[in-house]
Amino acid sequence: EIVLTQSPGTLSLSPGERATLSCRASQSVSSSHLAWYQQKPGQAPRLLMYEVSSRATGIPDRFSGSGSGADFTLTISRLEPEDFAVYYCHQYDSSPPYNFGQGTKLEIK
Amino acid sequence: QVQLVQSGAEVKKPGASVKVSCKASGYTLSNYFMHWVRQAPGQGLEWMGIISPSGTSTSYAQNFQGRVTVTRDTSTSTVYMELSSLRSEDTAVYYCARRGVTAPGLEYWGQGTLVTVSS
Repeated sequence: EIVLTQSPGTLSLSPGERATLSCRASQSVSSSHLAWYQQKPGQAPRLLMYEVSSRATGIPDRFSGSGSGADFTLTISRLEPEDFAVYYCHQYDSSPPYNFGQGTKLEIK
Repeated sequence: QVQLVQSGAEVKKPGASVKVSCKASGYTLSNYFMHWVRQAPGQGLEWMGIISPSGTSTSYAQNFQGRVTVTRDTSTSTVYMELSSLRSEDTAVYYCARRGVTAPGLEYWGQGTLVTVSS
C-alpha cells in the first residue's frame, strides 16, 4: 500500500506569491500515476493535474506539477485570490488502494 | 455531459447500515471504474473502494474491509455504496467519482452525500 505524505500542513502566502506544495510517497509511484486536486469549503474536489504534470481541462497554466518516483510537487506560480483552498495529492498506481495525501491548506497571509 | 447525482443526506443510528446511490448520466456506466471517497468533518479525503466497469470486480481499502459493499445496476445506471455496522466515526460526506475520458485522475465527482451517525 502506498502512503502519501504532504507538506506543509498549512502554507500561508499572499496573492501574487509562488506556492510550492510537496507530496512524498512511501514507495515509487509507477507510470507517473499521480494527481492533484483542489477543494474549497462545501465543494467536491476538483481535478487539477494528472500523470504528475498534465493539467486537467480548464486549469490555468499558473498551476504546474513535477516530480518522479516518490517525490512530487505542485507549484502555483502566482497566487490568485481564488487559489486559496486545500490541495490533495492522489496516487492511482497499478493496484488499489488508491490513497490520498492528508492535504495542504493554502491560506491567505 | 457527464453527471453523477447522489442520493440525499441520511441520519443513522450506531450499528445500522446505510446505502448511498450515485446515478450516472452522459456516459455508459459499464465503460468506467467508479470510486468511492469519503471526507469526515474537517478532515481529508479517504479512498474507500472501487468497482470495475463490468461490475464483476471490487476492491476496498483495508479500513473498510468487511463493512463496505459497492454494487451497480446497469439498468438504472446507478452505483451503490453500502456501509454497515455504522459508528460515529463514519459521519462524513461520501462521494462517488470517475476518471476523465483522457485524464486518468478523478475528473467527475458526485455532489456528495452527508451521512450522520448519531444515537
